[in-house]
Amino acid sequence: ETGVTQSPTHLIKTRGQQVTLRCSSQSGHNTVSWYQQALGQGPQFIFQYYREEENGRGNFPPRFSGLQFPNYSSELNVNALELDDSALYLCASRPGTSGEYNEQFFGPGTRLTVL
Amino acid sequence: DQQVKQNSPSLSVQEGRISILNCDYTNSMFDYFLWYKKYPAEGPTFLISISSIKDKNEDGRFTVFLNKSAKHLSLHIVPSQPGDSAVYFCAASDSGGSNYKLTFGKGTLLTVNP
Repeated sequence: ETGVTQSPTHLIKTRGQQVTLRCSSQSGHNTVSWYQQALGQGPQFIFQYYREEENGRGNFPPRFSGLQFPNYSSELNVNALELDDSALYLCASRPGTSGEYNEQFFGPGTRLTVL
Repeated sequence: DQQVKQNSPSLSVQEGRISILNCDYTNSMFDYFLWYKKYPAEGPTFLISISSIKDKNEDGRFTVFLNKSAKHLSLHIVPSQPGDSAVYFCAASDSGGSNYKLTFGKGTLLTVNP
């Protein structure tokens, strides 16, 4: 069983640029969430995708957008990068959106540095 | 407004002793709680969870206790091992919501000394 994978591992961008991060969900998982983890903080929920539709969003501006593909992989796009966007971006997957349990399985993350 | 709080940034214990990590929450809609462990350069790894209908859940060396009236949960690790040294995150979710987002605390760095 393949776990959650993310690419790239590290990325350096300059302020104002755009970035795309990628995530492949764990086999059999159709729900993908993205989290931002700033230094010294816990992960913060950005949004979640289920069946290619965004079905939940945290307190992030519209310049954070995403996509989910038919194979359940996902992209996170960030436009007009700001210095505060520097963080570890985590992708997590889970099987479906309902049920008693909400264990989400995380990938290793993409470390984004904005200069 | 931080809805999940881990007030101890760090904890140091001796190998073989008990580690107790604490977590408080403010949102009464939270009904499912999880602990994740995170090593440097890796994503968080699910450790153990508990539903609000229970007050205790055990899995090997790990036990989570939930006190709903106090809005407090704790993770006990017995006996602690050097390999347990990591950052531990408490997380909570509201299953009545539509997206099961996890709300995390800031984490506690556990160091287990040999």
